Amino acid sequence: SQQGEEDPQALSIQEGENATMNCSYKTSINNLQWYRQNSGRGLVHLILIRSNEREKHSGRLRVTLDTSKKSSSLLITASRAADTASYFCATDAIAAGNKLTFGGGTRVLVKP
Amino acid sequence: GAGVSQSPSNKVTEKGKDVELRCDPISGHTALYWYRQSLGQGLEFLIYFQGNSAPDKSGLPSDRFSAERTGGSVSTLTIQRTQQEDSAVYLCASSSKGWGVNYEQYFGPGTRLTVT
Repeated sequence: SQQGEEDPQALSIQEGENATMNCSYKTSINNLQWYRQNSGRGLVHLILIRSNEREKHSGRLRVTLDTSKKSSSLLITASRAADTASYFCATDAIAAGNKLTFGGGTRVLVKP
Repeated sequence: GAGVSQSPSNKVTEKGKDVELRCDPISGHTALYWYRQSLGQGLEFLIYFQGNSAPDKSGLPSDRFSAERTGGSVSTLTIQRTQQEDSAVYLCASSSKGWGVNYEQYFGPGTRLTVT
């Protein structure tokens, strides 16, 4: 199975609601990153959290990291229709030869 | 400045033909990566170039796949004798740092390959 696995696989919410998705991983990491992908094309980097950090914010995004549980969460507050996309976590893990390993993604649909 | 560009954006080819996919990374980025993404799936690492070091080819699925990076800039991914299972979106990314701590990757728009 993959180093990073997102949960849920799909999420449907109303505009204005918050969206939360989780990422679990198996081995120790240097950092964990979240990316967004629109329409199955290129990914856009959202936020990077280092292994010694517990929480980071960027605009309406909040990322947490719990290394004891080997999990991370991405919260999108006050969602907008434009937030409709797939969201991927990616881990930079020593055990993976420092490759950036992507999970399967969470597909988020924000209904207007 | 310009981002990562890829060409072609779409490619339809017949089974058994060879294809070449091109990636132009961000100027000055020393690291370049190729990934493959099947429909509705995550990204599968294919190959990584870092400066003048030997590329990490550990993700290439078979010997039909190869890639080169000329002059430390443009990269070409070649798939020989294409098979239907090669159909996917091929994504290229570059970064200003190599493997290690604390870097982000910038992705191109991808090439959608369809093998008929």
